[in-house]
Amino acid sequence: DTTVKQNPRYKLARVGKPVNLICSQTMNHDTMYWYQKKPNQAPKLLLFYYDKILNREADTFEKFQSSRPNNSFCSLYIGSAGLEYSAMYLCASRINRGRSSYEQYFGPGTRLTVL
Amino acid sequence: AQSVTQPDARVTVSEGASLQLRCKYSYSGTPYLFWYVQYPRQGLQLLLKYYSGDPVVQGVNGFEAEFSKSNSSFHLRKASVHWSDSAVYFCVLSAPGTGSNRLTFGKGTKFSLIP
Repeated sequence: DTTVKQNPRYKLARVGKPVNLICSQTMNHDTMYWYQKKPNQAPKLLLFYYDKILNREADTFEKFQSSRPNNSFCSLYIGSAGLEYSAMYLCASRINRGRSSYEQYFGPGTRLTVL
Repeated sequence: AQSVTQPDARVTVSEGASLQLRCKYSYSGTPYLFWYVQYPRQGLQLLLKYYSGDPVVQGVNGFEAEFSKSNSSFHLRKASVHWSDSAVYFCVLSAPGTGSNRLTFGKGTKFSLIP
């Protein structure tokens, strides 16, 4: 089973309010990623966890936080949502093993709308 | 730094016609290349992958892609399209040997059939 799950599928948030998105996988993958995707744009990597180590992209460092309480779960946290956060958020995972290290498995995404 | 260019934002053909989606990449070495597909309201799914060897790789649902080092290309093809193929297709590059498992995405090509 190569399933990555995301909850919720749709999220409506108010400007200035926090947002928490959840991702889970049962493949025992060691790395989990969060991407932001806006219409007509390529997915943008926000951050990733390799095991318990969090790596955040420099240009979004202060905008997003994450936690990984165990191997299967990873959250994406926005402390204060702005209109510019409206997007699809994609979670992905991979296993660090040979060539498979370069393949990522994606969840269905959470569509966040900030009003 | 590497990059991926999908020159066609949209491609439209008739049902049963052949399909080619273009992808050009920029990378100094030999990359690992992928095509991902995003069906409506779903996450990204891996369609096919190229690591080395035979430049023509087969994927699911009758898709294939051909790697050309001389042209820096990895075009996706299908002999006869169906309505279920309507989706956004992403060409993706990974750079082996750089110590990074990051994926570099093209902006995607939206494929649809003429009604």
